[in-house]
Amino acid sequence: DAGVIQSPRHEVTEMGQEVTLRCKPISGHDYLFWYRQTMMRGLELLIYFNNNVPIDDSGMPEDRFSAKMPNASFSTLKIQPSEPRDSAVYFCASSRDRGEAFFGQGTRLTVV
Amino acid sequence: DAKTTQPPSMDCAEGRAANLPCNHSTISGNEYVYWYRQIHSQGPQYIIHGLKNNETNEMASLIITEDRKSSTLILPHATLRDTAVYYCIVRVAPSNTGKLIFGQGTTLQVKP
Repeated sequence: DAGVIQSPRHEVTEMGQEVTLRCKPISGHDYLFWYRQTMMRGLELLIYFNNNVPIDDSGMPEDRFSAKMPNASFSTLKIQPSEPRDSAVYFCASSRDRGEAFFGQGTRLTVV
Repeated sequence: DAKTTQPPSMDCAEGRAANLPCNHSTISGNEYVYWYRQIHSQGPQYIIHGLKNNETNEMASLIITEDRKSSTLILPHATLRDTAVYYCIVRVAPSNTGKLIFGQGTTLQVKP
């Protein structure tokens, strides 16, 4: 398996624009997590899914953020409208049952 | 979830054992101790986990005290590639959510 695949690896966008981050989990994994990492706040859990259903979105910073998982092999994290403070590295991770989580390489988002 | 306390940074000489401590004094009886590491610019990587017995795999050993209030991750022969941030995480019991909450971790610097 190629591991967790995230796209794009880098994204630069202007404030106010919509940004969509994509994640393909490892096949057979039933948990999917979205994290955000900044120097100030470290790694923060934004939301996670189990069997494509959002279980806990308490980490989503505000209504500008939304996440979907339309099927077992794909998830998106959308920011609309984007703001400079959203600049961070966003990681997606997946796990099978409650085993160890495998992380993607991340998407580095810069909002100017 | 039980919180963990780790030293912010440690140094280790190349080829020597690196011993990374973690305190988790409020851990519950059915909570596991997980260790992850994050090498610069990469996604976190699973290392090892345990409940109450010591564990060993190809990457490291995990020593958990009898009262389970602290643990030590041991890298037996540290190399320069082991330079990373190491996270100790106490994870909710398998009967629950499975989410991982990261703290600030320990930055391990392996020196030649």
